Amino acid sequence: SQTIHQWPATLVQPVGSPLSLECTVEGTSNPNLYWYRQAAGRGLQLLFYSVGIGQISSEVPQNLSASRPQDRQFILSSKKLLLSDSGFYLCAFQRGGETQYFGPGTRLLVL
Amino acid sequence: GQNIDQPTEMTATEGAIVQINCTYQTSGFNGLFWYQQHAGEAPTFLSYNVLDGLEEKGRFSSFLSRSKGYSYLLLKELQMKDSASYLCAVRDEGRAAGNKLTFGGGTRVLVKP
Repeated sequence: SQTIHQWPATLVQPVGSPLSLECTVEGTSNPNLYWYRQAAGRGLQLLFYSVGIGQISSEVPQNLSASRPQDRQFILSSKKLLLSDSGFYLCAFQRGGETQYFGPGTRLLVL
Repeated sequence: GQNIDQPTEMTATEGAIVQINCTYQTSGFNGLFWYQQHAGEAPTFLSYNVLDGLEEKGRFSSFLSRSKGYSYLLLKELQMKDSASYLCAVRDEGRAAGNKLTFGGGTRVLVKP
């Protein structure tokens, strides 16, 4: 069966520090991969998506970046975190024309 | 541009029925999804509509009218565990464009005893 992992589950980082969040998918090949951010009490905002290795599309201009070094690995990064980067970060995958399925998420607090 | 509207919050009694409406205005349409999200957790898939009509899955049903840009999620025989946020999402582009979803702000449903 297909599973999706994210880590870490929770992260507290100071302003100006770097960030690296990782997402991996098991049980499928060549999935579409997505990074979302959810502010407290709000809907999901699509940040990046990828349809293949090395292919990244950005939806929102910001100080974040994404990379897909392997077929089933998706990484969200930042060189210098801002207070406004705090939120719940969700990775999702989709295979073919099916539904998007979400990982457990990473809760990021920037202080 | 994409615009998806749903009520912010609804309250209902255990055992009752609640209907969550979602209206959308998108540049294209390639399916509408409903997700459930409990506080502090990731969204989980509930239902998918791409053609007009009603899709039933146990206590949950979802309806779509493409001509009206309208969908609803119907929750029957409400249970306390149904207290959660319900997210409406539209897939407006096809596979070549990444099958992206645009989400509404979510409807928080509170079930009272």
